Formats: sequence, C-alpha cells, structure tokens
Amino acid sequence: SYVLTQPPSVSVAPGQTARITCGGNNIGSKSVHWYQQKPGQAPVLVVYDDSDRPSGIPERFSGSNSGNTATLTISRVEAGDEADYYCQVWDSSSDHLEVFGTGTKVTVL
Amino acid sequence: EVQLVESGGGLVKPGGSLRLSCAASGFTFSSYSMNWVRQAPGKGLEWVSSISSSSSYIYYADSVKGRFTISRDNAKNSLYLQMNSLRAEDTAVYYCARGEEAYGSGSYFDYWGQGTLVTVSS
Repeated sequence: SYVLTQPPSVSVAPGQTARITCGGNNIGSKSVHWYQQKPGQAPVLVVYDDSDRPSGIPERFSGSNSGNTATLTISRVEAGDEADYYCQVWDSSSDHLEVFGTGTKVTVL
Repeated sequence: EVQLVESGGGLVKPGGSLRLSCAASGFTFSSYSMNWVRQAPGKGLEWVSSISSSSSYIYYADSVKGRFTISRDNAKNSLYLQMNSLRAEDTAVYYCARGEEAYGSGSYFDYWGQGTLVTVSS
C-alpha cells in the first residue's frame, strides 16, 4: 500500500509563506494533486499535475514535486487560507488506486 | 455551472444496505469518469470507487470490494453507489467527484458534491 505522509499541522502568520509537504516513495515520478477543505465544506482542487492551478485559484498557490517529497506552497497567506490540505496521487499497486495524504491543518496565526 | 448533488444517506443498521445517488448538471456527464470519496467523522479523505465515462472500467478500494457497487446512467446524468453489508467503519460523509485525467496516470477530482452522511449504527 502506498503511503503519503503529511505533517499534521502548519502554523503561519498572515503575509508569510506556508509550505506543506507530502512524502511518498519516489513521489517525484507521479503526478500530485492538492485539495483544500474548510470545515463543513467539500474539498476544493487547488493544484493538479504537480504545479498547475485550476481557474479561479489564486497564483499564491503553487506546487512542486521531486524525489520523495511534493510541496504545496501558499504565498502571502491570508486568514481565508486556514483549512485542511490533502495531497493525492494514483498508485496502481495500492489497495486504494487513488491515494490521499494524511492531511495538514493550516492555522493562520 | 457544474453541480453535483448527492442524496440517499441516512442511518442504517450494521449488515444493512443503502443506495446513494449523485445528480450531475452543467457539463457533459457522459464524457467524464466519476468517483466516490468518503470521509469518516474527524478523519481524512478516502477514495472509494471510480467508474469510467462509459462504465467500461470500474475500480474499488479493497476496503469496500465485494460489498459496494458503483454504477451510472448517462441518460439520467446520474451516478450511484449501492452499499451492502454495511459496517460501523463505513460511517462517513460520501462525496461524488468528477474525474479528470491526470498527466501520466490516474485522475484528479476537479468538482465535488456537498456530500451525504451515512451512519451505520445499531
């Protein structure tokens, strides 16, 4: 089973940069997607295919992926960015073909 | 505007059955794969099942294989999840999500419904 490991929490001051990591074996060879989920709401896609942004997602959200770690970076953090964030990849050998990370709670101080 | 609206959730006893539905609008439903993703209370996201645009390819997580059946009716723009032999650990909010082909392999989920809660308890 393929495991994606994220830090449980990240805290950041408004205007600063938040970096959320997603660790997995040779994840750099996979396409990584990121979702934002606010309390009581459905997830929203914020980055797909490692670093592409859907329309309507601010440029402050960016992604990278190399080696064993993918990273979602939120620049100039705003209070509205406070949410849970999940990474996701496809892995044919896993018991879940589409695998989600453990999730990271981003707190804006 | 893309809309996905789930229905059919509720309280069911262990061993019981439930059928979830997802009504799609605002896009050509027959052109997209569709998925079910669930989230247990206070927990993370778990992919449950996928179905290709023409129902030719169907996949399940091992945790539900043999108990859940995904299907779709392209004429009715609807996605379904038949859940049998339900267990307490199936308690979760169930989301339907539209799939888009990812670069390389697999999919990402670009639109999600608001979810429907399934509670399995005696």
